[in-house]
Parts: sequence; structure tokens; C-alpha cells
Amino acid sequence: GNSVTQMEGPVTLSEEAFLTINCTYTATGYPSLFWYVQYPGEGLQLLLKATKADDKGSNKGFEATYRKETTSFHLEKGSVQVSDSAVYFCALTYRAGGSYIPTFGRGTSLIVHP
Amino acid sequence: EAGVTQFPSHSVIEKGQTVTLRCDPISGHDNLYWYRRVMGKEIKFLLHFVKESKQDESGMPNNRFLAERTGGTYSTLKVQPAELEDSGVYFCASSLRSGTVFNSPLHFGNGTRLTVT
Repeated sequence: GNSVTQMEGPVTLSEEAFLTINCTYTATGYPSLFWYVQYPGEGLQLLLKATKADDKGSNKGFEATYRKETTSFHLEKGSVQVSDSAVYFCALTYRAGGSYIPTFGRGTSLIVHP
Repeated sequence: EAGVTQFPSHSVIEKGQTVTLRCDPISGHDNLYWYRRVMGKEIKFLLHFVKESKQDESGMPNNRFLAERTGGTYSTLKVQPAELEDSGVYFCASSLRSGTVFNSPLHFGNGTRLTVT
């Protein structure tokens, strides 16, 4: 089936450190890939997306590259800030009959200390 | 533009009681999804509406869960009778239905935290 696997959290970093959150997927066909972020007390919001192999999504200093050969979509940021503390969800969208179903990973909590 | 709103934000009920969760999607969004997240686990798909029609309800755990979307606007998710394992955060999300629906991002509500005691 279609699924997403994320690295276990929490990830704890100091401000200005480099961030990587790993995400791999299993899918039939060619899914679109997404990263969503959930700040405390809020709903999920789209961070970035990539719709085909080798596409790079980027937003707010975060980026992720759609790697079909390794079925991965790792999230990276060169210098994290305290305000980046949140839960990050990797997701894919696949087609099921006439419906498109977004499928999520379990989320990775990021804690950034000053 | 108003976002996706969910009500209530929290609900604490006893096992065997009934609870109804409500979701108001963004106006004009035909796609409406319900998801559930149990603490620390993945966000699990429950069902998908396109307007008022249930497009896919393969994720509904059992017949104690009933979702409706009358008139293709707001949606309700009723749990009757509630069990302990139903506890979690229930998210609603909506998206546009268009030729690029495959790539349309979801807009989420803040979720309803349900606790069954």
C-alpha cells in the first residue's frame, strides 16, 4: 500500500544548527509529496511540496527534493530558529479510484533551544 | 478568507455517550477530509467527501462512526457510542476540486481533541 515513514522524534537542536528530518515513502505510481507543519495550538499548514521526481520544494528556508531512486523526501534547513519549533509531517497524495487520498506520516517534533 | 473551522476544540465524554464533531470548510472547497491522530502516531485518514457525496470512507474504523455533509457545506462526524480507543485529535481538512486536485494542498482546521473516559 501507500505509506510514509518519518524519523522518530523529538529532534532537539540549538538555534542556527542544521536540520534534517528524514522521510521515505512507499507508493504505487507517481505520488505528489508534501511537508506540513503544525505549530502549537494550531492546525497543520502546508510548508512545501514537490509533484515529480527531482523537483525541489522550498519555503521559509526549508527545502526538500523528490528523490524517486531512493523514495525519499527529506526536509532540510540550514539554520533553524526557535520559532521553527513545531511538529513536521511528511505526506503523499495518491489516487484511489476516483479519489485522491493524502496520506501522512506520524510527525516529527522539532524543539529548538536559544 | 476564513479558514477551516472545527467545533468543539475539546470534548470530554464518558464511554457509551455520543459526541458530534463539526467542520466548516473553506467556502468553495468541494473536497472535505476527516482524519484522526492518536497521540504520537500517524494522522490516519477516515473519509473523503466531494461536495455532499462520500467519495471514500475506507478509513472509518467501524459503524459507530457516522459522517455527513448535507448540502455539500459543513460536515459532522458522530461517534455513537464512544469507546476509550476513540480518544484522539480529529482533524478536518478541505481543498479545491479542480483539474489539478492531485496537487492541491489541504487546509486544516485546528482539530477537536476528544477524550473518552
